[in-house]
Amino acid sequence: NAGVTQTPKFQVLKTGQSMTLQCAQDMNHNSMYWYRQDPGMGLKLIYYSVGAGITDKGEVPNGYNVSRSTTEDFPLRLELAAPSQTSVYFCASSGGQGAREQYFGPGTRLTVT
Amino acid sequence: RKEVEQDPGPFNVPEGATVAFNCTYSNSASQSFFWYRQDCRKEPKLLMSVYSSGNEDGRFTAQLNRASQYISLLIRDSKLSDSATYLCVVNGGTGGFKTIFGAGTRLFVKA
Repeated sequence: NAGVTQTPKFQVLKTGQSMTLQCAQDMNHNSMYWYRQDPGMGLKLIYYSVGAGITDKGEVPNGYNVSRSTTEDFPLRLELAAPSQTSVYFCASSGGQGAREQYFGPGTRLTVT
Repeated sequence: RKEVEQDPGPFNVPEGATVAFNCTYSNSASQSFFWYRQDCRKEPKLLMSVYSSGNEDGRFTAQLNRASQYISLLIRDSKLSDSATYLCVVNGGTGGFKTIFGAGTRLFVKA
């Protein structure tokens, strides 16, 4: 099993551009998450989803959008990218309901110039 | 006050040393607790869950003190390969999906 996969691994955007970070999991997990990690900082939750068709905001949702049309996929959309969105983005998933351990993808390193 | 606070690092220890990390959390309604390990430029990976009764996995021991709202991680007989950042994770409170990651404690184990 591939676990949680993310594409692309690296991306450079110019201010104002838009893009979608892809995330997929093959573990049939109900819950999926998007985090960002700035240098020397902890992970901050952007959005999460507890199942297909259900999404909710995390701690830092501004400037991002998500959708969850299938159990497997949870793309993160950046509209009008800003330098403040330069970060490493991690997608994660967890099985079942409630507070379970999360499995992370390898991350996408995004630079906005 | 941060919701999850960890010992400031970095910790520099020789091989074979015992090292302990502490983590405090502010939400008394928190339900589950974990330690993750993150290697440089890699994704976090679960090291161990933390149970109320305390739990041990080889050289690693985790403990939870709900009354004082802190969790700890003890690493015995440190190895070079233990060098990493250790993240304290607290889950629960407002709904079951509020997950807060600590900023992490960096550990360097030297030969």
